[in-house]
Amino acid sequence: GDSVTQMEGPVTLSEEAFLTINCTYTATGYPSLFWYVQYPGEGLQLLLKATKADDKGSNKGFEATYRKETTSFHLEKGSVQVSDSAVYFCAPRGNTGKLIFGQGTTLQVKP
Amino acid sequence: EAQVTQNPRYLITVTGKKLTVTCSQNMNHEYMSWYRQDPGLGLRQIYYSMNVEVTDKGDVPEGYKVSRKEKRNFPLILESPSPNQTSLYFCASSLISMNTEAFFGQGTRLTVV
Repeated sequence: GDSVTQMEGPVTLSEEAFLTINCTYTATGYPSLFWYVQYPGEGLQLLLKATKADDKGSNKGFEATYRKETTSFHLEKGSVQVSDSAVYFCAPRGNTGKLIFGQGTTLQVKP
Repeated sequence: EAQVTQNPRYLITVTGKKLTVTCSQNMNHEYMSWYRQDPGLGLRQIYYSMNVEVTDKGDVPEGYKVSRKEKRNFPLILESPSPNQTSLYFCASSLISMNTEAFFGQGTRLTVV
């Protein structure tokens, strides 16, 4: 079945460090790809998305590129801040409408 | 303001006592779903609905019921809760198109003792 593999956390970085969170997926057909972020005590909110191959989604300094050939959608940010500490979820969405979530990656940024 | 509202935010109950978690959205979305979030497992879909009176099982439907009598509401019903249903629950809504984002509620922390 459809699935998502994210790098295991927690990931601990110092402020202004470079961030990469890897995400690979298996999905039927040609899904759209999303990254969601969950701040402590809150629900999930959309961080960015890409809907076709080679599209780059970006928001708040985060970027991810839809790589169809490697079925990957890695999240990157050039300089993280303490306020970026959260749980990040990669999630493809196929034509059934269902979002497939990985286990999530916890990011902790220290001052 | 576009939002998905869940109630209650926190609930402690006893085994076997029926409960309902409400979910309402104000965006006229066709697609609504319930997820549970457990440590190390991410979010797993419980039930979903593609429109009024249309519901279907997700990945972990056992022990849960839903209904969709109106477009905006999608309650989650636990007829006889058990301790293994202790979890964090999220309701989400979206348009049907797979290119569109889902909006999530704030979550309901349920503890069954």
